[in-house]
Amino acid sequence: DAMVIQNPRYQVTQFGKPVTLSCSQTLNHNVMYWYQQKSSQAPKLLFHYYDKDFNNEADTPDNFQSRRPNTSFCFLDIRSPGLGDAAMYLCATSRETTADQPQHFGDGTRLSIL
Amino acid sequence: SQQGEEDPQALSIQEGENATMNCSYKTSINNLQWYRQNSGRGLVHLILIRSNEREKHSGRLRVTLDTSKKSSSLLITASRAADTASYFCATNQAGTALIFGKGTTLSVSS
Repeated sequence: DAMVIQNPRYQVTQFGKPVTLSCSQTLNHNVMYWYQQKSSQAPKLLFHYYDKDFNNEADTPDNFQSRRPNTSFCFLDIRSPGLGDAAMYLCATSRETTADQPQHFGDGTRLSIL
Repeated sequence: SQQGEEDPQALSIQEGENATMNCSYKTSINNLQWYRQNSGRGLVHLILIRSNEREKHSGRLRVTLDTSKKSSSLLITASRAADTASYFCATNQAGTALIFGKGTTLSVSS
């Protein structure tokens, strides 16, 4: 089945220690998104790629960066995680960025900071 | 900034009952989408309704859209325990990011 896969499902890191979360998709979609979701809150868009074009949301902290080496893979790098970065990180894809496109989500990576 | 706001925040019902969730938004939209999120999982797209549509059905789901009131409702008929989840509305205008509301947490007990 075509899908969006996130690894790992659970990630524990230490305060200030860089961490990378990964996402892969078999849908061959042009767009890949990274969202941050804290407990009982709405998913918040961090950035998205349209093909190789990177689009950063204005309020995404500089601590968060992303890489998309090819169509299938996208990575979220947190350079120096703080306690406030503990959250669920969700990857999603869509065929295009037009408003009528549903997004397909992975099951997320839950990040804990010690 | 948050565009959609769901109401109620939490809803508890018995199996077989209907569940209605509402979403209000602030600015004009091209479409509105509803997503479901089971605990600890990703979001699943349920239904998309365009701004020129008033009602849409998918299985036990019925979505309405009232652009004059800037509101939408999601009705789940004959609910099941498996419908227990959080439900989010999401809106965007052309070329802008999808913005999710805070969601309604639905609990269906058997």
